[in-house]
Amino acid sequence: EPEVTQTPSHQVTQMGQEVILRCVPISNHLYFYWYRQILGQKVEFLVSFYNNEISEKSEIFDDQFSVERPDGSNFTLKIRSTKLEDSAMYFCASNRPDEETQYFGPGTRLLVL
Amino acid sequence: LAKTTQPISMDSYEGQEVNITCSHNNIATNDYITWYQQFPSQGPRFIIQGYKTKVTNEVASLFIPADRKSSTLSLPRVSLSDTAVYYCLVGMMDSSYKLIFGSGTRLLVRP
Repeated sequence: EPEVTQTPSHQVTQMGQEVILRCVPISNHLYFYWYRQILGQKVEFLVSFYNNEISEKSEIFDDQFSVERPDGSNFTLKIRSTKLEDSAMYFCASNRPDEETQYFGPGTRLLVL
Repeated sequence: LAKTTQPISMDSYEGQEVNITCSHNNIATNDYITWYQQFPSQGPRFIIQGYKTKVTNEVASLFIPADRKSSTLSLPRVSLSDTAVYYCLVGMMDSSYKLIFGSGTRLLVRP
């Protein structure tokens, strides 16, 4: 069964550094998403992406964040100048154009020191 | 303010039926309601999805009233492995469209 994959599984970075989180969505999916989950809290929507552009974004997704689909398979989330409060699990998800069910990756645990 | 509300936690015993309700008062007209299960340090896993009335699959049922302002996930006979956090996910209309996860319900199944 195809799955969404994410790399790395864990990342530790220093405050102020840039990080890039990578996702490989399921191959025939066209809608892509990033979510964040701070430890012990609920999952929060960050951004959705379709047809090479952002379709929706939340208040969390400010100028510090950007997304990109650099090639036909990867979908990345870049966080510029990381802050302590960016420490969280980041989940990527994708879905087919004909259904709303999103399939989630295993997540990247980001720790900002 | 668009928000979803779920009970924080529920306790049950093996073999019982568990019903978890999510309220979503500002659900967007054309959006589906999706429920996910999450184990610690894992991504949410799809359980069931519906638009209105009742949907059933091999693991759960989903009940949605006519006004769609709430939904109830029903797990028919829970086992210890169903201990997890359960989230509803809906698209909500506020000042703009937002995808919002519920706060999550932590289900503990006891032997």
